[in-house]
Amino acid sequence: ETGVTQSPTHLIKTRGQQVTLRCSSQSGHNTVSWYQQALGQGPQFIFQYYREEENGRGNFPPRFSGLQFPNYSSELNVNALELDDSALYLCASSLRGRYEQYFGPGTRLTVT
Amino acid sequence: RKEVEQDPGPFNVPEGATVAFNCTYSNSASQSFFWYRQDCRKEPKLLMSVYSSGNEDGRFTAQLNRASQYISLLIRDSKLSDSATYLCVVNTGRRALTFGSGTRLQVQP
Repeated sequence: ETGVTQSPTHLIKTRGQQVTLRCSSQSGHNTVSWYQQALGQGPQFIFQYYREEENGRGNFPPRFSGLQFPNYSSELNVNALELDDSALYLCASSLRGRYEQYFGPGTRLTVT
Repeated sequence: RKEVEQDPGPFNVPEGATVAFNCTYSNSASQSFFWYRQDCRKEPKLLMSVYSSGNEDGRFTAQLNRASQYISLLIRDSKLSDSATYLCVVNTGRRALTFGSGTRLQVQP
């Protein structure tokens, strides 16, 4: 069974740029959630995708957007990067109807 | 007020000690409860789900008190490898998991 994978591992971007982060869900899992974790804080929910549609969204502005593909993999896109977007971005997969979520290793984004 | 509150610690305990973490949540509609463990600069990993009847997994025991909106985690016979941040997590039936800020545990030899 393959776990959740994410790419890239690390990324450095400049303020105002755009970034795309990628996630492959755990084998058999059809739901993907994205979280942002700032240093010293717990992860904060960004949004969730199921059947290629956004299925719930946290308190993040529209410049945070996503996609889910037929194979359940997902992308997180962030436009007009701000310094405060520097964080660990975590993808989690789950089975529809189950509350347990399993996390990938994350992408550490630094915005300068 | 934060939805999930935890004492940030750190809790510094010797090997073999018993340590307990507590967590409170504000939304009485919360339906599912978990403890996750997070090592430094790594992803959170599911440690255990928490049930109303309480549950045990080896050295770890979790308890839920719905009336007081309170969750606990007890670790017996602490090992050096237990050193990590423990995240209290709640699901209110929406799509998201809501995390506390975590409690740091440092087990010392």
